Amino acid sequence: AQSVAQPEDQVNVAEGNPLTVKCTYSVSGNPYLFWYVQYPNRGLQFLLKYITGDNLVKGSYGFEAEFNKSQTSFHLKKPSALVSDSALYFCVLYLDTGRRALTFGSGTRLQVQP
Amino acid sequence: ETGVTQTPRHLVMGMTNKKSLKCEQHLGHNAMYWYKQSAKKPLELMFVYNFKEQTENNSVPSRFSPECPNSSHLFLHLHTLQPEDSALYLCASSSRERPGELFFGEGSRLTVL
Repeated sequence: AQSVAQPEDQVNVAEGNPLTVKCTYSVSGNPYLFWYVQYPNRGLQFLLKYITGDNLVKGSYGFEAEFNKSQTSFHLKKPSALVSDSALYFCVLYLDTGRRALTFGSGTRLQVQP
Repeated sequence: ETGVTQTPRHLVMGMTNKKSLKCEQHLGHNAMYWYKQSAKKPLELMFVYNFKEQTENNSVPSRFSPECPNSSHLFLHLHTLQPEDSALYLCASSSRERPGELFFGEGSRLTVL
């Protein structure tokens, strides 16, 4: 069975400081990993993805994530947080075999204080 | 703007009403999805359609009835709902060329009185 864990319900960071939103996964096989963001009263938006290749992937709005196979992690990072980054972030796992289903993490609310 | 449009954005209904949620995409995607998002609960996959054929029903109660007349349109028919069905219902679509990458609509906020 595959699973995704986001250990923090909420992350608070001051504007201008670096931010990290954590994600670990469990799967048999080679995963596709995604981050999605949900702004208040909106649907989810794709932020970035890792499929293969370079472990550091860059996405929208200055976000990046590092795929770490040995630690089975895919943490989301940004060097300098903005108040407008405040939103709900979802880590998502996809396996391109079998059921081909997406597994969503529980979400982490990022609050950036001015 | 993701290219996936959901209507209505807000819906209030009584437990005996019949209503429908609508989703459309003109992205040329082959798969469409209904998700339920409730407060303090993980995102729940409800239904998946692939080329108009239902490929997944995640043990959803029969008071929710999906319909996919073509690859661009998806409906969720609602009948005799319960207050605990109040949630944000999200539609999404994807293409086989970009597996796992979903395009979501803005959602329909449903309140059942």
